Amino acid sequence: NAGVTQTPKFQVLKTGQSMTLQCAQDMNHEYMSWYRQDPGMGLRLIHYSVGAGITDQGEVPNGYNVSRSTTEDFPLRLLSAAPSQTSVYFCASSRTSGTEQFFGPGTRLTVL
Amino acid sequence: GENVEQHPSTLSVQEGDSAVIKCTYSDSASNYFPWYKQELGKRPQLIIDIRSNVGEKKDQRIAVTLNKTAKHFSLHITETQPEDSAVYFCAAGLGNTGFQKLVFGTGTRLLVSP
Repeated sequence: NAGVTQTPKFQVLKTGQSMTLQCAQDMNHEYMSWYRQDPGMGLRLIHYSVGAGITDQGEVPNGYNVSRSTTEDFPLRLLSAAPSQTSVYFCASSRTSGTEQFFGPGTRLTVL
Repeated sequence: GENVEQHPSTLSVQEGDSAVIKCTYSDSASNYFPWYKQELGKRPQLIIDIRSNVGEKKDQRIAVTLNKTAKHFSLHITETQPEDSAVYFCAAGLGNTGFQKLVFGTGTRLLVSP
C-alpha cells in the first residue's frame, strides 16, 4: 500500500492564481482531512470529509474548497491564492472516528 | 471551541535522561488525545494515543497520562536516544460519532544530545 500520497511536493504561485493540491489514499479509509502547518502554530484543520459526497469545514476554511467524489481522492482547491496561504499542507485519512490519522508527505506552497 | 496549550516549546536533554511534555485542553467534552512525532521535513506520525476512559498508557519507552479533572495530559519518554530528537505535537479530539476534529498544540522541539 502507498498509504496517503500528495502532489505536488512543492509549488510556487503568484497572488491571485488558482491551483489544486491532490491527495489520494489506498487504505479504503472513510475519513479524510486537510491541515495546514505554519511555524509556531501546529496543524490546523481546513476541511474534512466523512465519505464520498460529504464534506465540511474545519477551523480555517476560508479561501479553500474541497470535494470528495470517490473514497480515494480528496483534492484541495485554492481559488485565488494569497500570501497568507503560504504554508505546508498535509492531507490525512483515518478509518473511523477516534482512530489514527495517517498523514501524507505534505505539499510546501509559497504564494508570492 | 477547543484550545490546546503545549509546554515547553523546546526541550534539551542528555541521552538517557527522561523527557516530559505537557498539554492542557479547554473543552471537557474532548475524549481522544493523540501524540504525534514529526521529524524535520517529514510527515507527523502517531506515536501513542489515549482515550478519556483511561488514565495512563505505556508503549515501551513512551507513556501518556491523562488527568480529566485538571484537563491536562502529558507525554513521558524514558531513556531518551538521539533518534528521539523531533517535534512532538499533542492534540485533543472532540466527537463521539462522525469525524473527530483534532485541535493540535503548537509543538515541542525535543533535542537529545549524545
